[in-house]
Amino acid sequence: EAEVAQSPRYKITEKSQAVAFWCDPISGHATLYWYRQILGQGPELLVQFQDESVVDDSQLPKDRFSAERLKGVDSTLKIQPAELGDSAMYLCASSPRTRNIQYFGAGTRLSVL
Amino acid sequence: KQEVTQIPAALSVPEGENLVLNCSFTDSAIYNLQWFRQDPGKGLTSLLLIQSSQREQTSGRLNASLDKSSGRSTLYIAASQPGDSATYLCASEGTGANNLFFGTGTRLTVIP
Repeated sequence: EAEVAQSPRYKITEKSQAVAFWCDPISGHATLYWYRQILGQGPELLVQFQDESVVDDSQLPKDRFSAERLKGVDSTLKIQPAELGDSAMYLCASSPRTRNIQYFGAGTRLSVL
Repeated sequence: KQEVTQIPAALSVPEGENLVLNCSFTDSAIYNLQWFRQDPGKGLTSLLLIQSSQREQTSGRLNASLDKSSGRSTLYIAASQPGDSATYLCASEGTGANNLFFGTGTRLTVIP
């Protein structure tokens, strides 16, 4: 069964360092989402791509976060510099198109010390 | 902005019991309502999706209902099993923006 792949699964970093997360969606899925889930809360959307274009990044803290999906397939989310408050689970999801079921990866758990 | 609330935050039941999880949302102009399951330290698994024109969806022992006018959805789990232990999240998708607004989840423990 096809899955959304994310790496790394866990990342520990010190504040002010740069971190990057990678996501490979299910093959053929045009829409890709990055969510942030703080412990004990529901996920919140950071950025949504349709193919290689950003559809919604209104909740992305653009002073330190960036995301790209250059060829419309896999995607990278970067944080530079990391802050203590960035400690969270970062989830990637994909769907064949918008308005459809989203399939989630296992996530990357980030701890900023 | 859509606000999604889930009550209770945590629930423990003995194996075999039927149970109901509640979800409420402030903006009734939704495109769909979805229920997800999340195991500790893992991603989300979609359980049921109810379109705004539908009243309920069923999958096995799960039944989800939607009442848009009152801003409520319920997830009914029949004959609960220890393997059902997880956090259950509901999420609404708006008619404008197509991103999901999640509740904070209900952590379910089914005691053998």
